[in-house]
Amino acid sequence: GNSVTQMEGPVTLSEEAFLTINCTYTATGYPSLFWYVQYPGEGLQLLLKATKADDKGSNKGFEATYRKETTSFHLEKGSVQVSDSAVYFCALSKLPAAGNKLTFGGGTRVLVKP
Amino acid sequence: GAVVSQHPSWVICKSGTSVKIECRSLDFQATTMFWYRQFPKQSLMLMATSNEGSKATYEQGVEKDKFLINHASLTLSTLTVTSAHPEDSSFYICSAETGDGANVLTFGAGSRLTVL
Repeated sequence: GNSVTQMEGPVTLSEEAFLTINCTYTATGYPSLFWYVQYPGEGLQLLLKATKADDKGSNKGFEATYRKETTSFHLEKGSVQVSDSAVYFCALSKLPAAGNKLTFGGGTRVLVKP
Repeated sequence: GAVVSQHPSWVICKSGTSVKIECRSLDFQATTMFWYRQFPKQSLMLMATSNEGSKATYEQGVEKDKFLINHASLTLSTLTVTSAHPEDSSFYICSAETGDGANVLTFGAGSRLTVL
């Protein structure tokens, strides 16, 4: 079956530091890949996505590249802010056949200190 | 943007009682909603897919008689945890997709259930 593995947290950084959250997946075929972010007390929000190999998703300074050869979709941000403190989830779906059924990774809590 | 509201955001109940959690799409019609369960420090696990006007499709290992899902309208899906027990304590999250083929999901903020 499909699965997503991401690095365990918490990850604690200082403001303006470089952030990387590793994510690898197992799936047949060509899944779509996503990063979701969950701020304290809020629902998950789509941060970025990529639907085919070598695609790069980007949003709010975050980037992730769909690497089929390494089955990875690592999330990066060059200079984090305190407001980036949240839990980040990597996920995949087998659109369109499986609709929007998402398989999530375990989540990585990120804490950015001033 | 699209908003999904869950209610209640947290609930405490006694063992053996039933609890209903509502998931509403506030400014769009949701033909399909998904219910997830999140254990502490673990990932979201899909429980079931709820389609308006039809029976929900449950994932393997999820007891349909334990977790009753009703999607009676295009803006409301409910999850009822029947005869709740302490092991049902968890964070329940719903998400909804619009029916416009955009394949965009909007998540609710979740409902924390604690069964004493």
